[in-house]
Amino acid sequence: EDQVTQSPEALRLQEGESSSLNCSYTVSGLRGLFWYRQDPGKGPEFLFTLYSAGEEKEKERLKATLTKKESFLHITAPKPEDSATYLCAVLSYNQGGKLIFGQGTELSVKP
Amino acid sequence: EAQVTQNPRYLITVTGKKLTVTCSQNMNHEYMSWYRQDPGLGLRQIYYSMNVEVTDKGDVPEGYKVSRKEKRNFPLILESPSPNQTSLYFCASSFGRNYEQYFGPGTRLTVT
Repeated sequence: EDQVTQSPEALRLQEGESSSLNCSYTVSGLRGLFWYRQDPGKGPEFLFTLYSAGEEKEKERLKATLTKKESFLHITAPKPEDSATYLCAVLSYNQGGKLIFGQGTELSVKP
Repeated sequence: EAQVTQNPRYLITVTGKKLTVTCSQNMNHEYMSWYRQDPGLGLRQIYYSMNVEVTDKGDVPEGYKVSRKEKRNFPLILESPSPNQTSLYFCASSFGRNYEQYFGPGTRLTVT
């Protein structure tokens, strides 16, 4: 059964304190892995798509990486406005168009 | 403005009273999907559609129906709502399953 697990569930950082969020997945053939950001009461907002192991994508203070078993979202020198819940989702070859989300990591960045 | 719209945004109803939540996108996307989000359970896919007249079950389809008669619309139907369907619902669309999804603002449903 395809599974996605995110850790930690919650992360508190001081402004400027870099860290990483983890997304571990078990799928029978990865078609794509997606990262989204979700602010309270709003719909998720797309950040990155990764398709193959070794791939990396960057956007401002965020960098996403992918291996055959997990993905990391690295946050460099975070600011309070980076506070949000970060969601990981996977699409596998065997599941048609079904997308499986992890439970998310709630990030809080204090000034 | 490119967007996904959902209506209503908030709905309180009673058990057994049929309801429809509408979803519309103006980006000519082929792929559309419905999710529910519950505390501790994250986002779970209810149904998805890869094109007009093509729909498939997600992880939690029980108690829901969908239809895709037009490319831009993908309504979610609850024929006989129950309290365990109280949740925050999101509609999303994309150019295809391999591409990033654009989410609507959400519909908060309460079934008493």
